[in-house]
Amino acid sequence: AQSVTQLGSHVSVSEGALVLLRCNYSSSVPPYLFWYVQYPNQGLQLLLKYTSAATLVKGINGFEAEFKKSETSFHLTKPSAHMSDAAEYFCAVNRRAYGGSQGNLIFGKGTKLSVKP
Amino acid sequence: NAGVTQTPKFRVLKTGQSMTLLCAQDMNHEYMYWYRQDPGMGLRLIHYSVGEGTTAKGEVPDGYNVSRLKKQNFLLGLESAAPSQTSVYFCASSYSGGSGEQFFGPGTRLTVL
Repeated sequence: AQSVTQLGSHVSVSEGALVLLRCNYSSSVPPYLFWYVQYPNQGLQLLLKYTSAATLVKGINGFEAEFKKSETSFHLTKPSAHMSDAAEYFCAVNRRAYGGSQGNLIFGKGTKLSVKP
Repeated sequence: NAGVTQTPKFRVLKTGQSMTLLCAQDMNHEYMYWYRQDPGMGLRLIHYSVGEGTTAKGEVPDGYNVSRLKKQNFLLGLESAAPSQTSVYFCASSYSGGSGEQFFGPGTRLTVL
């Protein structure tokens, strides 16, 4: 069963507009949560991570995400999209939250972000 | 530091051929992973290793074998390739403790005809 859900396989925004990519997880214990970005023909690069410290997490390239326990969500936002943000974004949760081996991540299916000029 | 490297970057195989993908990391990580990425499927874990000499099955292990003879290397083998194994393969590594953040290689694009 999928434990990480990314709403919307494709999201398109105009340059300068708000970026909002949604991620929901299911977990009975506080998880560690991650957002990764994948540019075309490249590997995955960590954008930011939540490890039970501050609920608002700032990452690279102006992205941030907020952990909301009551909503089991970890949505990724950026106030103003740039053409260079066009990529695929993956949300992931540490499998430890599901009784698995620490270190294993469960990935969502990804959201492809397009930025229109 | 090179981080995580993968060899080769591209490969085309015929059905039934075998090959080995090599992953190397220079960060002294205990854990290493092999994933495959297919359109619309996200990343699916094939096999992983929690230390030198140990391996374990992931979500989609059938048709693949792995070995971790040295801490820095993790090999993925296809004994008899099938068209269903056409995919992009990623290797990753992580520390044994902490949050489980994984560091990824650049990927290997494999086509099986």
